[in-house]
Amino acid sequence: AQKITQTQPGMFVQEKEAVTLDCTYDTSDPSYGLFWYKQPSSGEMIFLIYQGSYDQQNATEGRYSLNFQKARKSANLVISASQLGDSAMYFCAMRAYRGGATNKLIFGTGTLLAVQP
Amino acid sequence: DVKVTQSSRYLVKRTGEKVFLECVQDMDHENMFWYRQDPGLGLRLIYFSYDVKMKEKGDIPEGYSVSREKKERFSLILESASTNQTSMYLCASSLAGKYNEQFFGPGTRLTVL
Repeated sequence: AQKITQTQPGMFVQEKEAVTLDCTYDTSDPSYGLFWYKQPSSGEMIFLIYQGSYDQQNATEGRYSLNFQKARKSANLVISASQLGDSAMYFCAMRAYRGGATNKLIFGTGTLLAVQP
Repeated sequence: DVKVTQSSRYLVKRTGEKVFLECVQDMDHENMFWYRQDPGLGLRLIYFSYDVKMKEKGDIPEGYSVSREKKERFSLILESASTNQTSMYLCASSLAGKYNEQFFGPGTRLTVL
């Protein structure tokens, strides 16, 4: 079965420091995609970064980078130089392939990040 | 920019009522999705649609139905609302294809009393 696990329900980080949010996944499919979304208190899910299973390099988008360790089945999100606006819930998600429909996402339970001044 | 809108941000209904949640996207996306979000459970897929009039069950379809008569609109229907359907409901859309990200609406917080 395909599954995403986020073991950190909540985290604190000091402003301007880096923080790593953990994500492990389980799939038997050799081809898959991993996504990170941010959900601020307003509720809207914001796409942050994507990593394909065959990508040779770790994905980066501005202050966000994805530490992809395929053998360990982990896809941790690293936020550098945290800002107060980074305080939000963060979800890791994986593209699932079931029955020919290739656009389903499986989500983890999320990590609530609080950035302290 | 992709825009996904949902008809209500907050909704309060009574047990047994029929409830319609509407979602509209303006980027001609083929795929549309309905999720519910509950604390500690993350997002769970209720239904999705990959074309007009086409739908597939997600992980938790019981108690829900959907309708997609036009490409831009995807409706979630609670035939007879129950208190355990109190939740945040999120709609999303994406282009067809394996690696396209989903774009989400602002969510509807539904309370069933």
